[in-house]
Amino acid sequence: DAGVIQSPRHEVTEMGQEVTLRCKPISGHDYLFWYRQTMMRGLELLIYFNNNVPIDDSGMPEDRFSAKMPNASFSTLKIQPSEPRDSAVYFCASSQNSVSNQPQHFGDGTRLSIL
Amino acid sequence: GDSVTQMEGPVTLSEEAFLTINCTYTATGYPSLFWYVQYPGEGLQLLLKATKADDKGSNKGFEATYRKETTSFHLEKGSVQVSDSAVYFCALTLNTGFQKLVFGTGTRLLVSP
Repeated sequence: DAGVIQSPRHEVTEMGQEVTLRCKPISGHDYLFWYRQTMMRGLELLIYFNNNVPIDDSGMPEDRFSAKMPNASFSTLKIQPSEPRDSAVYFCASSQNSVSNQPQHFGDGTRLSIL
Repeated sequence: GDSVTQMEGPVTLSEEAFLTINCTYTATGYPSLFWYVQYPGEGLQLLLKATKADDKGSNKGFEATYRKETTSFHLEKGSVQVSDSAVYFCALTLNTGFQKLVFGTGTRLLVSP
């Protein structure tokens, strides 16, 4: 079975540049989540979608961050302009339905370094 | 608010030792509880779950029992292996129909031969 697929796996760019992270959820999953993981703050939920509609974006740190889900098989997280403090591992996850005991399936993450 | 508290790591053990990682939670309702594991360079994977009080989740030799009276979900394994070295996250979701996971800070386990 294909899991959650994220690209790129690694991204190194200079501050001020636009960064786009991509995610393909598991087919048939209705929920998609974006997380950020850092040593200082741990795992933070940034935003999640249900049936391609953003439900809760209260974790998005500031207006430089935006996320879209144009269809059921694709989502992007964009940072513009990027800053060194955005350096982190960004995870995408998906889950099957709204029953709260269903697990989330995570991708392998994108390790982002902003110089 | 809803939260999960885990013991600080790292936890360092020798192979075949007994493992306990403590997890307690605070929640307004009756949550479902999870343990996720993260191996180096990978995303989180579900290890086990329990959806109601007194349920025991188990997988790959790991166990955790949902204790409502102590609001705990401690992870245990009788005999750890080097391959169990990873970061373990305790998490909850509220049974409100929404999928939002609340994670603990994670506990790193290091197992030496």
